[in-house]
Amino acid sequence: EAGVTQFPSHSVIEKGQTVTLRCDPISGHDNLYWYRRVMGKEIKFLLHFVKESKQDESGMPNNRFLAERTGGTYSTLKVQPAELEDSGVYFCASSHPGNYGYTFGSGTRLTVV
Amino acid sequence: QKEVEQDPGPLSVPEGAIVSLNCTYSNSAFQYFMWYRQYSRKGPELLMYTYSSGNKEDGRFTAQVDKSSKYISLFIRDSQPSDSATYLCAMSAGNSGYSTLTFGKGTMLLVSP
Repeated sequence: EAGVTQFPSHSVIEKGQTVTLRCDPISGHDNLYWYRRVMGKEIKFLLHFVKESKQDESGMPNNRFLAERTGGTYSTLKVQPAELEDSGVYFCASSHPGNYGYTFGSGTRLTVV
Repeated sequence: QKEVEQDPGPLSVPEGAIVSLNCTYSNSAFQYFMWYRQYSRKGPELLMYTYSSGNKEDGRFTAQVDKSSKYISLFIRDSQPSDSATYLCAMSAGNSGYSTLTFGKGTMLLVSP
């Protein structure tokens, strides 16, 4: 079974630019999550999709962040415009309702300079 | 007060030692408790999963949950250099297959040969 795939693995952008992160979940997993780890802090929840619908987006920091999930398959997380404090590692995870816990991707390391 | 407290370490032990990793939490609603292992530049990988209080054993790993004290532990017996990683505790109020996880900061473990 292929795992959760995220790309790019690294991205360095300038403040004010736009970046789009992509996540391909495990096939058949209806639940897709985005989490973020800012340096020195815990991994924190951003949002949760069930299929193509946003189930919970209470963790999204502000309206510069936009997440979409096309047809209940892959998901994108766009940051526009990026700010310095957006730097961190963005993790995507997916799960099936019958699972215990999630399967995480390797993350996208975003650096805003 | 943070919802989940975890000593970031690093914790250095010799090969073969018994390792004890711990987290405390403040939210009484947490029912599901997990330990994730994260190698450098990789995503968290689910190691152990426990529902409510009690013990769970899987090979060299034992997870303990004491809800009365709001304290969870992970024990690693006969530690190996390959166990060197960051160990993250995570918790959720609902079934972790489709619930938001709250993470500790992670404890870095170094096992020397």
